[in-house]
Amino acid sequence: AQSVTQLDSHVSVSEGTPVLLRCNYSSSYSPSLFWYVQHPNKGLQLLLKYTSAATLVKGINGFEAEFKKSETSFHLTKPSAHMSDAAEYFCVVSLNTGFQKLVFGTGTRLLVSP
Amino acid sequence: NAGVTQTPKFRILKIGQSMTLQCAQDMNHNYMYWYRQDPGMGLKLIYYSVGAGITDKGEVPNGYNVSRSTTEDFPLRLELAAPSQTSVYFCASSYISGGAGTGELFFGEGSRLTVL
Repeated sequence: AQSVTQLDSHVSVSEGTPVLLRCNYSSSYSPSLFWYVQHPNKGLQLLLKYTSAATLVKGINGFEAEFKKSETSFHLTKPSAHMSDAAEYFCVVSLNTGFQKLVFGTGTRLLVSP
Repeated sequence: NAGVTQTPKFRILKIGQSMTLQCAQDMNHNYMYWYRQDPGMGLKLIYYSVGAGITDKGEVPNGYNVSRSTTEDFPLRLELAAPSQTSVYFCASSYISGGAGTGELFFGEGSRLTVL
C-alpha cells in the first residue's frame, strides 16, 4: 500500500537560513509525489510535483524537492527562508496514475523567526 | 476568479442535527473531492466524484452522503451529526482527462464544523 511519512511535525528556522522538510514514501510502483502548502485558515495550494520526469523538481516561491528512489525520499528544500514561508506543508503520494486518490502525510509546520 | 467556493465557513451543530456543506467550482473540472482534516492527521478523503451523476466512497465515508447533479456543485450531507465529525472540511477539484491529470487539486478555504 502507498503511504507517506513526514519525519518532523514542526521545523523552526530563522529568516534567511535554509529550510529542509523531510518526506519518505512507500509505494509498490513508481509514484507521483507532491508537496502542498497550507497557510493559516486557507485551503491547500500545490507547491510542486514529481511525475517521473526530472528528479529535481522546482516549485513556486523558491522551493524545490529531489526524488531519490534509492532512499524512497522526496525532501522539500529552500535556500533561504522568508517570514511568509511560515505555514503547514504536506507531502502527498498518488494511489494511481489518474491522481484521483491522494494520500496525505500528517504535515510539517514550518515556523520562521526574525 | 472564484475557483472553489465553500459555504458555510463556520458552523456549530448539536448532536443528531443534519446539515449540508456546499461546494461549487467554476473551472469546469470533472473531478471533485471532499476531505476532512483533523489535527495531526493530515487529510482524509471522504467522497469523490469523477463527473456529474457519479460518486464514490473514499477512506472515511461513514456518516456522510454526497450528490453530483451538475459539474459545478458537489454538496456534502451530514446526517445525524456526531462529535466525531468535528473537523475542518475541504472541498477540492481537479481536471483529469484520458486517465491522467496534472495531479493538482484546487482547494476551497475550508468549512470548520463543531458538533456539541
